[in-house]
Amino acid sequence: GIQVEQSPPDLILQEGANSTLRCNFSDSVNNLQWFHQNPWGQLINLFYIPSGTKQNGRLSATTVATERYSLLYISSSQTTDSGVYFCAVLYNFNKFYFGSGTKLNVKP
Amino acid sequence: GAGVSQTPSNKVTEKGKYVELRCDPISGHTALYWYRQSLGQGPEFLIYFQGTGAADDSGLPNDRFFAVRPEGSVSTLKIQRTERGDSAVYLCASSFSSGGGNEQFFGPGTRLTVL
Repeated sequence: GIQVEQSPPDLILQEGANSTLRCNFSDSVNNLQWFHQNPWGQLINLFYIPSGTKQNGRLSATTVATERYSLLYISSSQTTDSGVYFCAVLYNFNKFYFGSGTKLNVKP
Repeated sequence: GAGVSQTPSNKVTEKGKYVELRCDPISGHTALYWYRQSLGQGPEFLIYFQGTGAADDSGLPNDRFFAVRPEGSVSTLKIQRTERGDSAVYLCASSFSSGGGNEQFFGPGTRLTVL
């Protein structure tokens, strides 16, 4: 299989701060997605980003496929950003592998 | 429907019982995936369907687990002789088709507790 590592495992921020979450993967992938898992367990799609850079409001993501990593940027964090952020990679065209997540706690 | 739906949202059963978990994918999505998420971990792949057939079931932990998708839409994950270690959240996802270039969308999950 493929190894997917996310860092940091835990992150505490003050509201308004910026942060960068990282996802490293051990082999070439066909696809990469970032998700936010809310306190009720729902996985919410943030970005579908096999390569390049995308932005959506205060969030942006960059994937450098040739160097096997992706970054998720959160700017001006809000308490509603709290939760677990997962990176998932599609490997061999049929199976998604998830990292173990970054648990974010944004304090007011 | 507008999104992926899963029923029941919670299931409590006793060790040794049989359970069925249902997933209703987004209309028009031909690929359907089942995952299992244990506390504090990321989801782990179980099985994926392209249409009616199981294209990859390599993630099923043992032969107590089985899944079907007889008409290429709704899928049922079946667990026989449940064990306490089966307790987890079971997640379903669908995408327009399989392979690269297709975004997965997840349902809210079924929380299974085996007593």
